[in-house]
Amino acid sequence: EAGVTQFPSHSVIEKGQTVTLRCDPISGHDNLYWYRRVMGKEIKFLLHFVKESKQDESGMPNNRFLAERTGGTYSTLKVQPAELEDSGVYFCASSRDTQSGELFFGEGSRLTVL
Amino acid sequence: AQSVTQPDIHITVSEGASLELRCNYSYGATPYLFWYVQSPGQGLQLLLKYFSGDTLVQGIKGFEAEFKRSQSSFNLRKPSVHWSDAAEYFCAVGPHTGGFKTIFGAGTRLFVKA
Repeated sequence: EAGVTQFPSHSVIEKGQTVTLRCDPISGHDNLYWYRRVMGKEIKFLLHFVKESKQDESGMPNNRFLAERTGGTYSTLKVQPAELEDSGVYFCASSRDTQSGELFFGEGSRLTVL
Repeated sequence: AQSVTQPDIHITVSEGASLELRCNYSYGATPYLFWYVQSPGQGLQLLLKYFSGDTLVQGIKGFEAEFKRSQSSFNLRKPSVHWSDAAEYFCAVGPHTGGFKTIFGAGTRLFVKA
């Protein structure tokens, strides 16, 4: 069974440009989460999808961030326009349900904004 | 406010020595508690979790953790560390019912010396 995959693994962009990160969850996992870790600090929650619906997006920093999950399969996280403080590692995780507690993580996408 | 504190940013232990990684949490309700590990080039992997019952929980790779409600702690232990245990370890807490928004600590990086 394939795990959670994220693309790209590393992206370097200029301030003001746009970047789109992609996450493919484990097949059959309805729950998909985005997290971000900035500068070795805590891994912070961004949002949670249940299938194609946003269950909780309280962690999204501002309206420059747009997450989608069309069809309830893969998800994209777009940052437009990118700012310096957006640099960090963006993790995607998935789970079959919310009761087991376990999250399955991808390797992360490292974003560097210059 | 809900939070997780891992007081040690990094720890170095000798191979074969015992290990204890500290974790304290602040959470208003009965929490789910987790330890995840991130090895180089990999995503986070669940080591163990505590939901209820026996406060000493066993996990994978020979790790265990003890929940102490009076101290709001969930420390991770291993009796004998192997070089392959070198990684970053994250303590996390989540809600007990409904929805799901895991809160992570800042991580403790473990170095193992020969």
